[in-house]
Amino acid sequence: GAGVSQSPRYKVAKRGQDVALRCDPISGHVSLFWYQQALGQGPEFLTYFQNEAQLDKSGLPSDRFFAERPEGSVSTLKIQRTQQEDSAVYLCASSLGGGFEAFFGQGTRLTVV
Amino acid sequence: GQQVMQIPQYQHVQEGEDFTTYCNSSTTLSNIQWYKQRPGGHPVFLIQLVKSGEVKKQKRLTFQFGEAKKNSSLHITATQTTDVGTYFCAATPVGTGNQFYFGTGTSLTVIP
Repeated sequence: GAGVSQSPRYKVAKRGQDVALRCDPISGHVSLFWYQQALGQGPEFLTYFQNEAQLDKSGLPSDRFFAERPEGSVSTLKIQRTQQEDSAVYLCASSLGGGFEAFFGQGTRLTVV
Repeated sequence: GQQVMQIPQYQHVQEGEDFTTYCNSSTTLSNIQWYKQRPGGHPVFLIQLVKSGEVKKQKRLTFQFGEAKKNSSLHITATQTTDVGTYFCAATPVGTGNQFYFGTGTSLTVIP
């Protein structure tokens, strides 16, 4: 595709429900990043993949958050037993690698009610 | 997490005035990137700085990387209404790989 694609664009989940957010990076991009952006705040780093390897997951806020990129392309961010504080925009970005610009998707806005 | 502070948090300027946002890290950086995010939009890459003391220009925008590679600035000359948005620096600390951490951002409002 022409850019980074994220789906769904909007997700409303009941508290306690599990959700899965998808990111389709730009073809050939080695690096993939997930960020969480609360309203009025800057994006907070969650996790980083290089191909299929998850090199850094230090930003994941709890063990309810899990990310994978099994074939080094599409990535999924899963949140188990969602809570209200999980409400945010989840941004995915990809790049050719270190030193290259990152391209962001439109984000998934998650609202937990 | 990594601490990357930006000041000011908010800036209101009259159209035609200049604007500067400053980014400060507590640790030495491999590189720093700048992004612009319009309301309701996603971050869009502006530039990357790598070398100590580096200065880069894009039309009315001037980006600087500090000599110690711990701080950076973005200066906009003669702001226009199209400059409205939040400007973020994004820093890659030395020794941490390719991931980058966003600053707190500066929200710019341009009054026509």
